[in-house]
Amino acid sequence: DAKTTQPPSMDCAEGRAANLPCNHSTISGNEYVYWYRQIHSQGPQYIIHGLKNNETNEMASLIITEDRKSSTLILPHATLRDTAVYYCIVRAPNFGNEKLTFGTGTRLTIIP
Amino acid sequence: GAVVSQHPSWVICKSGTSVKIECRSLDFQATTMFWYRQFPKQSLMLMATSNEGSKATYEQGVEKDKFLINHASLTLSTLTVTSAHPEDSSFYICSASRPKPGQGGYEQYFGPGTRLTVT
Repeated sequence: DAKTTQPPSMDCAEGRAANLPCNHSTISGNEYVYWYRQIHSQGPQYIIHGLKNNETNEMASLIITEDRKSSTLILPHATLRDTAVYYCIVRAPNFGNEKLTFGTGTRLTIIP
Repeated sequence: GAVVSQHPSWVICKSGTSVKIECRSLDFQATTMFWYRQFPKQSLMLMATSNEGSKATYEQGVEKDKFLINHASLTLSTLTVTSAHPEDSSFYICSASRPKPGQGGYEQYFGPGTRLTVT
C-alpha cells in the first residue's frame, strides 16, 4: 500500500471548516483513499473514502486532486467533538486481506 | 448500522494468567476481522487478520502462540492473551470489514477497544 504524509497537528476554530491535507504521491491506480479518526481512548471511526471523484457524506467531504497524489478531508463546521487524531490511509481493495496500515495521523484540536 | 462491539471494555489481570477479548459485529456479517494493538501515544499496529473458519494470519513479530485468535462465526472473533505480562498492557482494538455497496472498496468498522492492564 502507498505511504501517506500528514501534518502531525493542526488547530481549527470551532464553527470553521477544518481542512486536513494528505500527500500520497506513490498511490497506484487501484488504490482508494480512506479517512478514519480516533477520539481519545476509543476505536477508530470510519469517515469517508474515495477513488478519484470527490466524495461527500454526512460527516465530511473528500477532495482528491486530479493526479490523485494528494487529498483533503474537509469537516465543514468543526465542533469540539471533532477533536481527534485523523488518519489518511491508501490501500487497494483485496477481499480477505484488506488490512489497514495506520501512520501517525494528524492530531486536530478544535479551539472554542 | 455496522456496529462492532468488544467485551470487556477494560480488564485487569495478574501476570501469568490468560484473558479473552471478544469482538462482535452486531448487525452485519464479517468474513474478515482484524486485531490491532495501541500503546499510549502511538498509532494502531495490526496484530493479525482473522478469516472465519480458517487460521489467523499474524503480522511479523506477533507471537501466534501467545495471542490466540479464534474466528468461529461470521459475527464473532476472540483474542486470548495467554500468560500475560505487564508489557502486554495495551489498548486492543478489533475491526470488521464489509463491502461498500455501489462505491467499491471496503468499509472497516472498529470496536470501542479493550484496555488491558497486567499487574
